Amino acid sequence: GNSVTQMEGPVTLSEEAFLTINCTYTATGYPSLFWYVQYPGEGLQLLLKATKADDKGSNKGFEATYRKETTSFHLEKGSVQVSDSAVYFCALSESFAGNQFYFGTGTSLTVIP
Amino acid sequence: DGGITQSPKYLFRKEGQNVTLSCEQNLNHDAMYWYRQDPGQGLRLIYYSQIVNDFQKGDIAEGYSVSREKKESFPLTVTSAQKNPTAFYLCASSLAGGDTQYFGPGTRLTVL
Repeated sequence: GNSVTQMEGPVTLSEEAFLTINCTYTATGYPSLFWYVQYPGEGLQLLLKATKADDKGSNKGFEATYRKETTSFHLEKGSVQVSDSAVYFCALSESFAGNQFYFGTGTSLTVIP
Repeated sequence: DGGITQSPKYLFRKEGQNVTLSCEQNLNHDAMYWYRQDPGQGLRLIYYSQIVNDFQKGDIAEGYSVSREKKESFPLTVTSAQKNPTAFYLCASSLAGGDTQYFGPGTRLTVL
């Protein structure tokens, strides 16, 4: 079946540090992969997506590359800011499964000045 | 401004009462979804609807009900049969066949 596994948190970094949040997936077909961000008390916002192998999604300095050979979609940012403090969710959707979404459990990031 | 609205943001109810959470979208999306989020956990799918007047159960539908009488609206009723209803509820929508879901701001329900 389909599933997403992401790095356990919480993660605490100093401002300007490098961020990596690991995400791996299991899928029966060819899924689209997503990172969503959730700020405290709010809904999820789409951060970036990639729809096929070797695609790189990017937005607001965040990047993730769809790696089919390692079934991974790790989120990276070169220099985090305090305003990046949030919970990050990795997710996949697969047209084979009616585009139903499968979410990871979320990784909480706190950036300290 | 196109988007998804959920109201109210905070909702308090006494145990044993039914409560209805509102979700409206003006994105002209065909598909709509309801998720439940508990502290420190991911999202779990309650119900989804791909088209007006049709909906399917998700992974945790017991104790919930929905209707889809209009394309723009997908209200969720939390019934007294739901054993642990206190949670954060998120509504989402997508284009028919689309692979991206867009989320509302959520409603935090607390049952006293």
